[in-house]
Amino acid sequence: NAGVTQTPKFQVLKTGQSMTLQCAQDMNHNSMYWYRQDPGMGLRLIYYSASEGTTDKGEVPNGYNVSRLNKREFSLRLESAAPSQTSVYFCASTYNTEAFFGQGTRLTVV
Amino acid sequence: RKEVEQDPGPFNVPEGATVAFNCTYSNSASQSFFWYRQDCRKEPKLLMSVYSSGNEDGRFTAQLNRASQYISLLIRDSKLSDSATYLCVVTLASGGSYIPTFGRGTSLIVHP
Repeated sequence: NAGVTQTPKFQVLKTGQSMTLQCAQDMNHNSMYWYRQDPGMGLRLIYYSASEGTTDKGEVPNGYNVSRLNKREFSLRLESAAPSQTSVYFCASTYNTEAFFGQGTRLTVV
Repeated sequence: RKEVEQDPGPFNVPEGATVAFNCTYSNSASQSFFWYRQDCRKEPKLLMSVYSSGNEDGRFTAQLNRASQYISLLIRDSKLSDSATYLCVVTLASGGSYIPTFGRGTSLIVHP
């Protein structure tokens, strides 16, 4: 019973490098989300996808891009990583407004 | 101003105590309300939904006041295992989806 799976769990990047965070859910949910969590800031929405083929910006989209590859998968890309993007990233999907989360990706940009 | 406001705490209480957390939200069109629990370095997990009629699950009671745009969580007979961060979550309909919006969380520490 996998639920929401994120990879990788940990990553260290150098400033300017790029990477893609992967997220997949096996619950047949339509909506998927990417959040970042910083100390004292709570979870802030980066991008979301209401359904396959659609994506929309959230509260903090600058420096990120997303792809809703199919109903299961929603990836987050950092084209040129910056130290300000050091954070914990959570992917989520929703069913009847209840959110289910992946285990998170701890990203450090040096 | 954040859409969902919570007192960050920490609330430091002895085992067996009753503790209450509050949360306010700014958008009157908010549709669904939840409390999530987050343990250190883990993902948030649903604790309970919140309804105007109140919702009780064992030692936990949640209440919604739509008129005041206020949500509460009461924990009775606190256990050491209740130590965690409690996140208030409000959802808004947008573009065919219900967007979960999080408060910053309230930290609870239960000590022996």
